[in-house]
Order: sequence, then C-alpha cells, then structure tokens
Amino acid sequence: EDQVTQSPEALRLQEGESSSLNCSYTVSGLRGLFWYRQDPGKGPEFLFTLYSAGEEKEKERLKATLTKKESFLHITAPKPEDSATYLCATVSQDSGYALNFGKGTSLLVTP
Amino acid sequence: DSGVTQTPKHLITATGQRVTLRCSPRSGDLSVYWYQQSLDQGLQFLIHYYNGEERAKGNILERFSAQQFPDLHSELNLSSLELGDSALYFCASSETRAFFGQGTRLTVV
Repeated sequence: EDQVTQSPEALRLQEGESSSLNCSYTVSGLRGLFWYRQDPGKGPEFLFTLYSAGEEKEKERLKATLTKKESFLHITAPKPEDSATYLCATVSQDSGYALNFGKGTSLLVTP
Repeated sequence: DSGVTQTPKHLITATGQRVTLRCSPRSGDLSVYWYQQSLDQGLQFLIHYYNGEERAKGNILERFSAQQFPDLHSELNLSSLELGDSALYFCASSETRAFFGQGTRLTVV
C-alpha cells in the first residue's frame, strides 16, 4: 500500500531560521511527488512537482528535493507569511492523477 | 484564485440528511477530483471524473456518490449523514498540477 509520512508534525521557527521538512514515501511506481501549501480554511495551493530522484525545484525561499525514498522542503530565512501547513503527496503510475497526501507539517514562523 | 469554484462554502445539516456539494472546474479542464479533509484522516481522495465518466475511486463510502455533467461541473452527493462526515470537502481540476477549490465545510449536527 502506498504511504506518505511527513515529519515533523509541527515546527516553530524564528524569522530567518532556516530548516527542512521531510516527506518519506513508499509507492509502487512514482509518477510524481507534489508539495502544496495550505492556509487555514483554504484549499491547498500548488508549490512544486518532482518527477525523478535528484530533481530539485526552487521558488523564492523554498527548495524541494527528491530521492528514491524521501523528499525535503527546505525553507531558507523564513518569514511570518510562510506560516502554513505544508502537504506532500504522491501520484502512482496506476492511480491516474489521484493525490495520496501525507498529514502535513504545520509551520509557524514567529517575528 | 485557482479558477475552481465550489458551492456552498459552508453547510450545516442534521444527521440522516442528504446534501449536494457542487464544483465547477477551471475552464478547459475535463477532470474533477473530490477529496475529503478531516482532522484525524488528513486529505483523502474520494473519486475522479473525466469528461463525464468515472475514472477512479478512492476511500469513498457507499453513502456518497458523484457525477459530472455535460458542462463539466460536478456534484458530490452525501446521504444518511453521520457526525463523522463533518469535514472539509475539496474538489480539484487538472492532472499534472491539481488546482483546488476553496472547499465546502460540512458540519453534521
């Protein structure tokens, strides 16, 4: 059974304090690994798709990387507006494009 | 704005009742995916429709059903509602980069 596990469940950072969120996955034939950001009461907002081990993508203070077993979302010098829940999801070769989500990491960045 | 529209935003109903949630995908997208988000289970895939046809089912209860109409909007029907069905229900469109609506918050009392 495909599984996605995110850690930590919650993370509190000072503004400017860089850190990484982890997403471990087991999937039979990875089609893609997705990162989303979700603000309270809102729909998930797309951040990145990674397709193969070794791939990296960057957007502003965020950088996502992928290995054969896990993905990391690195946050460099975070700001309070980066506070949100970050969700990781996989899509397998035999699931169409249905996303299998982890439970997320709730990030709080304090001034 | 993702371009995906969901109505209503909030819904409060009693146990045993039936409700219908509506989703309009982004212009040009043929797919609609439905997801349920609860505190204990996280975001879970329910069902996928493509151009009016059911393509895949996830953890969808038999009390739940969906359809996609010729104009590509989709409806998720939830019946015999239980307290545990209280959750946020999202729809998403597109394949390679899912765009999510703002969700419908269902509260069953």
